[in-house]
Amino acid sequence: ETGVTQTPRHLVMGMTNKKSLKCEQHLGHNAMYWYKQSAKKPLELMFVYNFKEQTENNSVPSRFSPECPNSSHLFLHLHTLQPEDSALYLCASSQADQAGELFFGEGSRLTVL
Amino acid sequence: SQQGEEDPQALSIQEGENATMNCSYKTSINNLQWYRQNSGRGLVHLILIRSNEREKHSGRLRVTLDTSKKSSSLLITASRAADTASYFCATDAKGAQKLVFGQGTRLTINP
Repeated sequence: ETGVTQTPRHLVMGMTNKKSLKCEQHLGHNAMYWYKQSAKKPLELMFVYNFKEQTENNSVPSRFSPECPNSSHLFLHLHTLQPEDSALYLCASSQADQAGELFFGEGSRLTVL
Repeated sequence: SQQGEEDPQALSIQEGENATMNCSYKTSINNLQWYRQNSGRGLVHLILIRSNEREKHSGRLRVTLDTSKKSSSLLITASRAADTASYFCATDAKGAQKLVFGQGTRLTINP
């Protein structure tokens, strides 16, 4: 139990579906992150939020839309995805956006058909 | 661009042996971290070493950092089957304020 909870753990969706991934942290952290982990590729940073404000968008396609309503919750809205978007999506949090220790959730395994 | 690169990509040893993994990086850093990931799970932080530190210990883990060579090593002593996992280094490049991960070393401990 890391204090970062991701739901759902597994998601299968068609290319025309709209779905959302949810992340919640109970650690009192101020920064939250979305990472994408594909097979045989390094972990890719997608988005960073610091005190609810987006501070990093790593050239992510607009079919991925993040939302951070407060410092404890982070969403990733998915729309018209491609099969190559199938991956493990990891949420993480940290005390502040200062690249200290990250606390990761267990991830959401996404399969796009 | 990728900052940290682990070597080897895969390592298989017998239980009780020591496991050494290496990480090289390209730019000046504030700190370097090591994480562990069991298959299909999230990453777990193991240890952080700052750029002004040369060696750090935590239980059976020993991390070294050589900033002149831009490299780090993670040593796991007296390995156990439960140490089977992927291990990643992550660097905090100066001025970047974000962690960049390498591709990882997949470690298998054979009983």
